[in-house]
Amino acid sequence: NAGVMQNPRHLVRRRGQEARLRCSPMKGHSHVYWYRQLPEEGLKFMVYLQKENIIDESGMPKERFSAEFPKEGPSILRIQQVVRGDSAAYFCASSPTRDRGGYTFGSGTRLTVV
Amino acid sequence: AQKITQTQPGMFVQEKEAVTLDCTYDTSDQSYGLFWYKQPSSGEMIFLIYQGSYDEQNATEGRYSLNFQKARKSANLVISASQLGDSAMYFCAMRDLSNTGNQFYFGTGTSLTVIP
Repeated sequence: NAGVMQNPRHLVRRRGQEARLRCSPMKGHSHVYWYRQLPEEGLKFMVYLQKENIIDESGMPKERFSAEFPKEGPSILRIQQVVRGDSAAYFCASSPTRDRGGYTFGSGTRLTVV
Repeated sequence: AQKITQTQPGMFVQEKEAVTLDCTYDTSDQSYGLFWYKQPSSGEMIFLIYQGSYDEQNATEGRYSLNFQKARKSANLVISASQLGDSAMYFCAMRDLSNTGNQFYFGTGTSLTVIP
């Protein structure tokens, strides 16, 4: 009964490279949310996806960031041409429906851009 | 406008004592949920407790209780009988429970240190 699985736990990228962060939701969960946590701050919403659909991307930066949740496989958060300011912890959460309760977070991916 | 305010960047509590972590929120929604999460140094986000805006009773989960004062828009977390393992960052969060609410709004967190 695995929880939300994120990998890698730690990712180091040089400026200009691409970062791919993966999130496998809990079994039976078809709703995925991505959040970003900058140092010394709370989590900030980025994007909400259901299988094959982006429902709400109001928190995504306009450039270089994209997210997908294909029919098969994990959800991917992709950051192209990373810059130092992208260094943060990226959390994924999932829920079985767009329900009223809380949802389960993964352990996060800590991205460091050098 | 900031939706969630946590005014205590750091708190200290003696082991076995109770501690209250403050949280105030701002919303015009009628239906919303309030949550507390714990983030230990290992970094994961652990759900602690939930309070719905229409719940009449304050939520409790073991040693955690939520002191919900709707008129004052506050949702303070009370941890009783503090343990060393309670040392962590604590985040208050709010979610709109209407059909349009997709995201949590998080506060900036309170760092709790339990002193032996």
